[in-house]
Amino acid sequence: KQEVTQIPAALSVPEGENLVLNCSFTDSAIYNLQWFRQDPGKGLTSLLLIQSSQREQTSGRLNASLDKSSGRSTLYIAASQPGDSATYLCAVRDYNSGYALNFGKGTSLLVTP
Amino acid sequence: NAGVTQTPKFQVLKTGQSMTLQCAQDMNHNSMYWYRQDPGMGLRLIYYSASEGTTDKGEVPNGYNVSRLNKREFSLRLESAAPSQTSVYFCASSWQGNIQYFGAGTRLSVL
Repeated sequence: KQEVTQIPAALSVPEGENLVLNCSFTDSAIYNLQWFRQDPGKGLTSLLLIQSSQREQTSGRLNASLDKSSGRSTLYIAASQPGDSATYLCAVRDYNSGYALNFGKGTSLLVTP
Repeated sequence: NAGVTQTPKFQVLKTGQSMTLQCAQDMNHNSMYWYRQDPGMGLRLIYYSASEGTTDKGEVPNGYNVSRLNKREFSLRLESAAPSQTSVYFCASSWQGNIQYFGAGTRLSVL
């Protein structure tokens, strides 16, 4: 069964810092990987989707990379802002899960002014 | 554009009661999903429907049933609620295996 791990579980940084969130997965036979944002008491918002054939995807201040062979993805957030405070979730779609996703437990990010 | 709509937003049940969680999407997606989110456990798949007319079990299907009513709607039913089913339930949809879009969630407490 695919296991998805996110490190660290929680992170606090001052505004303006660049930061990296990590995601690892145990089965490299994946179709794609998605990064989500979840605000307290809210649903999930998709940030980036990387197909297995891609190395990275960018959206604004966010950049996600994928190294399928080593089972790792990183989400890079540039020039962090207090509005970036949320929980960030990594999810993997693999050959055994059909269209469904296997989620990590998330990294809770706090950006302080 | 409403996206994925879940009802109700909150619900309190007594042990043994039944209820149905409703989900509808207006993005013409063919695939729909039900997840539950528990503290320390992350999101876990309950059931999914790859296309209209098909449903499949996920990681934690026990105690639940689903119905894919049509392409837009996918409901989750608890026949006899138990305290272990206290959770936040999320419905999601996608076009096949592409980006999944989530509803705002249903917060369920079973006493």
